[in-house]
Amino acid sequence: EIVMTQSPATLSVSPGERATLSCRASQSVSSNLAWYQQKPGQAPRLLIYDASTRATGIPARFSGGGSGTEFTLTISSLQSEDFAVYYCQQYNTWPLYTFGQGTKLEIK
Amino acid sequence: QITLKESGPTLVKPTQTLTLTCTFSGFSLSTSGVGVGWIRQPPGKALEWLALIYWDDDKRYSPSLKSRLTITKDTSKNQVVLTMTNMDPVDTGTYYCAHDHYYDRNGFDYWGQGTLVTVSS
Repeated sequence: EIVMTQSPATLSVSPGERATLSCRASQSVSSNLAWYQQKPGQAPRLLIYDASTRATGIPARFSGGGSGTEFTLTISSLQSEDFAVYYCQQYNTWPLYTFGQGTKLEIK
Repeated sequence: QITLKESGPTLVKPTQTLTLTCTFSGFSLSTSGVGVGWIRQPPGKALEWLALIYWDDDKRYSPSLKSRLTITKDTSKNQVVLTMTNMDPVDTGTYYCAHDHYYDRNGFDYWGQGTLVTVSS
C-alpha cells in the first residue's frame, strides 16, 4: 500500500499571504494525485487532479505541482474561505486509493 | 448536475451489520466508465477509501476491510448499497459516497454530504 504523508500537520498563515502544503508518496504515483479541501461539517471538495489540473470552478489562486513522490499545493493569496483541511490522494494504484492524513490551514 | 446523497442508520450496535444507500442523480451507472465509491472518515481523522463499483458490475474493496464489505448497485433506482458486517466502535465515522470514473480517473469529483454512523451499545 502506498502511504501518503502530508506536512505540516498544521500551517498558520495570514490572509493575503501564500501557503504551500506538501504531500509525499512512499513510492512513485506518477502524476496521479488529487488534492481536496474540506471545511468543518462538509464533504471534501476536489481542487486539483493529475497533480496540477484545477477542477471545474476552482479559483486560479490554487495550483498544484510535482510528480513521482513529491507534490505541493500552493494557494497564492489566502482568502478567508480557504482556511480548511486539505487532503492529498493518490489514484495511481487503482483501485487501492490512499489519502494523506491532512494539513489544517489555520488563520495566523 | 451530479448529486449524491447517503442514507442509513445513525446508530448501530456492535456486531450488527450496517447498510448504507447512496442515491444519485445526474449520471447513470449503466454508462460505460462510470463508478461510485464509498469513503469514510472517523471523527477528526483522515479519509479512508472502502469500496468501488463500476458500470460493468466490477467491484473493488479495501484489502483491510474486504471480508466485511459488500457493494451492490441498482441501476434502475440510481442507487448503490454498501453493507459492512460485524460493526465495531472503531467504525464510527462519517460515510461518504462519491462519483468515480474508470477510464478518466481524476479523483472523486462529486461527493455526497455524508452520513454519520455511530457504533455503540
